[in-house]
Amino acid sequence: GQQLNQSPQSMFIQEGEDVSMNCTSSSIFNTWLWYKQDPGEGPVLLIALYKAGELTSNGRLTAQFGITRKDSFLNISASIPSDVGIYFCAGPKAGAGTYKYIFGTGTRLKVLA
Amino acid sequence: DAGITQSPRHKVTETGTPVTLRCHQTENHRYMYWYRQDPGHGLRLIHYSYGVKDTDKGEVSDGYSVSRSKTEDFLLTLESATSSQTSVYFCAISGKDRLSGNTIYFGEGSWLTVV
Repeated sequence: GQQLNQSPQSMFIQEGEDVSMNCTSSSIFNTWLWYKQDPGEGPVLLIALYKAGELTSNGRLTAQFGITRKDSFLNISASIPSDVGIYFCAGPKAGAGTYKYIFGTGTRLKVLA
Repeated sequence: DAGITQSPRHKVTETGTPVTLRCHQTENHRYMYWYRQDPGHGLRLIHYSYGVKDTDKGEVSDGYSVSRSKTEDFLLTLESATSSQTSVYFCAISGKDRLSGNTIYFGEGSWLTVV
């Protein structure tokens, strides 16, 4: 099915470094969602963005809803070992009766202590 | 905690047997979904529900059926399990209110192995 383009696909960083990842689409979204998934667990919602240009923080995480409404960015400041996991974006597309969600391909983050 | 409980969390079953996975929500969300997640494919929608007794097919619905007799429960049934249905299955919910209506929350997953 359709997927959002997410980059980078994977990254290794040192503990304490800042991390940036982004998600792009050829279509406009009215909402951008960011999730983290740990091994053996379900995706956990980190940040939800509902308005173009919106900048929202959740602890060390900051996400932005792109002005064009075709992209979004997630930043993690001062990374720690527990930030390891897969991060992916998602956006809902209105359809008949419900929303269909389009998911990013994921960014696999590994933090070196 | 998104108020979603999946059961069973882990199951091993034999080819040809029927299997039912249960999703229970306590958040009164209107929409419920079943996804499967496989390496290289990401999350793929199996079936979804937009109300009690209102369901529709997703992109990979063959071999699966669903039922929703109550707002809080959404069942996924594999009529005759095959090895290709070995996967991790996630239930999800959305649509509680207007602001968060298009925000989707996931359960913890059900790991199914068909041998």
